[in-house]
Amino acid sequence: TQLLEQSPQFLSIQEGENLTVYCNSSSVFSSLQWYRQEPGEGPVLLVTVVTGGEVKKLKRLTFQFGDARKDSSLHITAAQTGDTGLYLCAGSWAGSYQLTFGKGTKLSVIP
Amino acid sequence: GAGVSQSPRYKVAKRGQDVALRCDPISGHVSLFWYQQALGQGPEFLTYFQNEAQLDKSGLPSDRFFAERPEGSVSTLKIQRTQQEDSAVYLCASSLGVRGGIGSSSYNEQFFGPGTRLTVL
Repeated sequence: TQLLEQSPQFLSIQEGENLTVYCNSSSVFSSLQWYRQEPGEGPVLLVTVVTGGEVKKLKRLTFQFGDARKDSSLHITAAQTGDTGLYLCAGSWAGSYQLTFGKGTKLSVIP
Repeated sequence: GAGVSQSPRYKVAKRGQDVALRCDPISGHVSLFWYQQALGQGPEFLTYFQNEAQLDKSGLPSDRFFAERPEGSVSTLKIQRTQQEDSAVYLCASSLGVRGGIGSSSYNEQFFGPGTRLTVL
């Protein structure tokens, strides 16, 4: 069974602060995706990374994929209340179509 | 449609009843996935279709769970003789799959529906 660890599990910060969420595995990913999920809705895809060392930016969100393709991070600059939600990383491994999800990071941004 | 749709959005069943959950994937998407999400957890894989073929059903928790996609588009997840532990959100996702090309960033990008929240009393 492939395991994907995500940390922290809960994060509560003030508006304007920066934060980083981590996603780690002992296995090499063929691709990794970050999703954001709000209560009562399905996960919404934020980004896909496939190349080791890759960095992608989406407005105030920066996604990094580790050189060895075993880990990833999501950094949010100057968090806003609208960033509140559950952030999920999901990886797929060579030869597998299914996504394996981490348990998620529940982010609360307080005004 | 523009995105993945699922119906019903909410389902309450008495223990022992059968339920059927529907998924309409994005038009043209070859691959379709079902996931189960327990409260406070990430989604867990149930089964995968490529067109009408069910290529992986290793995540189905018991033989009470059955999924089909007879014409390679709409899919139905059926749960027979529901139990309380079946209570969860059932998510459907679709992706370009093979058409996206192995190695491309779009290859396994999965787009999720809003889910069906199943409550078994």
